[in-house]
Amino acid sequence: GQQLNQSPQSMFIQEGEDVSMNCTSSSIFNTWLWYKQEPGEGPVLLIALYKAGELTSNGRLTAQFGITRKDSFLNISASIPSDVGIYFCAAPNSGGSNYKLTFGKGTLLTVNP
Amino acid sequence: AAGVIQSPRHLIKEKRETATLKCYPIPRHDTVYWYQQGPGQDPQFLISFYEKMQSDKGSIPDRFSAQQFSDYHSELNMSSLELGDSALYFCASSLGDRGPYGYTFGSGTRLTVV
Repeated sequence: GQQLNQSPQSMFIQEGEDVSMNCTSSSIFNTWLWYKQEPGEGPVLLIALYKAGELTSNGRLTAQFGITRKDSFLNISASIPSDVGIYFCAAPNSGGSNYKLTFGKGTLLTVNP
Repeated sequence: AAGVIQSPRHLIKEKRETATLKCYPIPRHDTVYWYQQGPGQDPQFLISFYEKMQSDKGSIPDRFSAQQFSDYHSELNMSSLELGDSALYFCASSLGDRGPYGYTFGSGTRLTVV
């Protein structure tokens, strides 16, 4: 099946620092998604990317859809304590009107105030 | 705005018991997905329904079954529970033609099997 290789597994940073994480796959995708999950809650969509080479921002978050369509990265600038959580990349397995998502293993982000 | 509602939030069951998890999608959403997330793991797709029909199936054990009802809510039935079934179970809903962008997850049901 399709696998998403996400790195790093975890990051410990100081407040104010920038963060970068990425996902790669041997498969080509038409969509890349980035989610954040906080303890005891469901994943929340941060950014959706639909076009190879696309660079999209959402506040302090910036994500890019790789030109090869096999990778994506997420950057968080000027981190703050509420950025703490697990960040997942995800991609849908099929087109049409129904989509099941494959997730990366997640990046656990800890921000020290 | 209304979100995806899951109940119960927490459930404790003994081995070999049965459990039923419920999911109420966002109003007008016609597609429901179920995911299982083990401790420290990423969510794994179990099953999905579109317009009350099963639309896709993932790594769902035969001991589990699910359905979507006429009001679009869905139930995941789990029988002969095993310790390894302890996990967070998420439901997500979307409008069939909106794709992943319209995908919203509920807060999950934490199932503990003892």
